[in-house]
Amino acid sequence: EVQLVESGGGLVKPGGSLRLSCAATGFTFSNAWMSWVRQAPGKGLEWVGRIKTKTDGATADYAAPVKGRFTISRDDSKNMLYLQMNSLKTDDTAMYYCATDRGSSSRYNYWGQGTLVTVSS
Amino acid sequence: EIVLPQSPATLSLSPGERATLSCRASQTISNYLAWYQQKPGQAPRLLIYDASNRATGVPARFSGSGSGTDFTLTISSLEPEDFAVYYCQQRSDLPITFGQGTRLEIK
Repeated sequence: EVQLVESGGGLVKPGGSLRLSCAATGFTFSNAWMSWVRQAPGKGLEWVGRIKTKTDGATADYAAPVKGRFTISRDDSKNMLYLQMNSLKTDDTAMYYCATDRGSSSRYNYWGQGTLVTVSS
Repeated sequence: EIVLPQSPATLSLSPGERATLSCRASQTISNYLAWYQQKPGQAPRLLIYDASNRATGVPARFSGSGSGTDFTLTISSLEPEDFAVYYCQQRSDLPITFGQGTRLEIK
């Protein structure tokens, strides 16, 4: 059974940093492009970015609002996905989900339960 | 960026009725469109991928159609558990984008 479990959310001040983690089980993690999607309270879904597999270069792509501030990385030896968030803004307040289809299609069959990030002074 | 306006924003129907939700892409995306259902406090659930393919375990009352720029999600006969928010998503080009959602509520 595929499981994605996010952690690391919490309350942080504007300008601060936070690192989110996503633990993946039940599939071959190293073969999967992995994405982060966020949802501000009461709002819609917003794609944050994705990271490809090592075979595909392990490169990451980002949405414009987070580019230069957020970094996605992966550790295939631990089946872990990360989102390093720097220079946080109040607009970054959201539930953050990791998501995948176990392949490279960027359609999301599998989602974690999310971890809440609140940016507030 | 490909924009995906969804209509209507809110749809009020009764169980047993047919629901038709629309998603229109700002440029052609072939069939690279997915539909998700989200209930309060839950992660989204994939319903339809590549415009017309039902995801595993999705009931047959859900169907998707369209290509290019105009897409439709149809629920043939609403069940009580279908009242939720529905999002479309394109994967044709980066950045991946979602529609703003259609809230399907009980009339």
